[in-house]
Amino acid sequence: GQNIDQPTEMTATEGAIVQINCTYQTSGFNGLFWYQQHAGEAPTFLSYNVLDGLEEKGRFSSFLSRSKGYSYLLLKELQMKDSASYLCAVRDSNYQLIWGAGTKLIIKP
Amino acid sequence: ETGVTQTPRHLVMGMTNKKSLKCEQHLGHNAMYWYKQSAKKPLELMFVYNFKEQTENNSVPSRFSPECPNSSHLFLHLHTLQPEDSALYLCASSQDPPGQQETQYFGPGTRLLVL
Repeated sequence: GQNIDQPTEMTATEGAIVQINCTYQTSGFNGLFWYQQHAGEAPTFLSYNVLDGLEEKGRFSSFLSRSKGYSYLLLKELQMKDSASYLCAVRDSNYQLIWGAGTKLIIKP
Repeated sequence: ETGVTQTPRHLVMGMTNKKSLKCEQHLGHNAMYWYKQSAKKPLELMFVYNFKEQTENNSVPSRFSPECPNSSHLFLHLHTLQPEDSALYLCASSQDPPGQQETQYFGPGTRLLVL
């Protein structure tokens, strides 16, 4: 079956750096997405990786290793507003999105 | 502002009630989706509509009935629900087939509580 694993919850300090990992086993691969979801709000698109390597977008970076079935989202200079859930999703060979359960990130002052 | 709106935002209903959720997208997309989101679980895809035709129904109970009158509007009709159906129901839209980086855009969801 298809599976996406990510930690349930992480805690970090304001101003610090945090890395959220995602491992996947899917039927085919057509890209990996990271979404941010604040409590009670819509998931919003953060990043997309289809080739191996690091994609940087301001304070957020996302890394992909297709051979290892592994990705991470790196958040730098953490702010209180970064407290949210972070969802990892993989687009499979049928172009369907397979979702992880999300990682709840708690930022402490 | 994601361009996808959902109403109502919150809904409480009894198990014998009938209600409908509404979704509208203003992004010019041709595919729309209903997802169920329960605490600490992955998003569950319920229904997919492409060009107004239903292309996927992931074994969803018949007490959930979708309707897609056009490519901008999507409804989820609810009847005789169970307490375990309480969840956040998310609507999303996308372009199909997707370009490489194109993904799904979500509405804010309807928080449903079944008593």
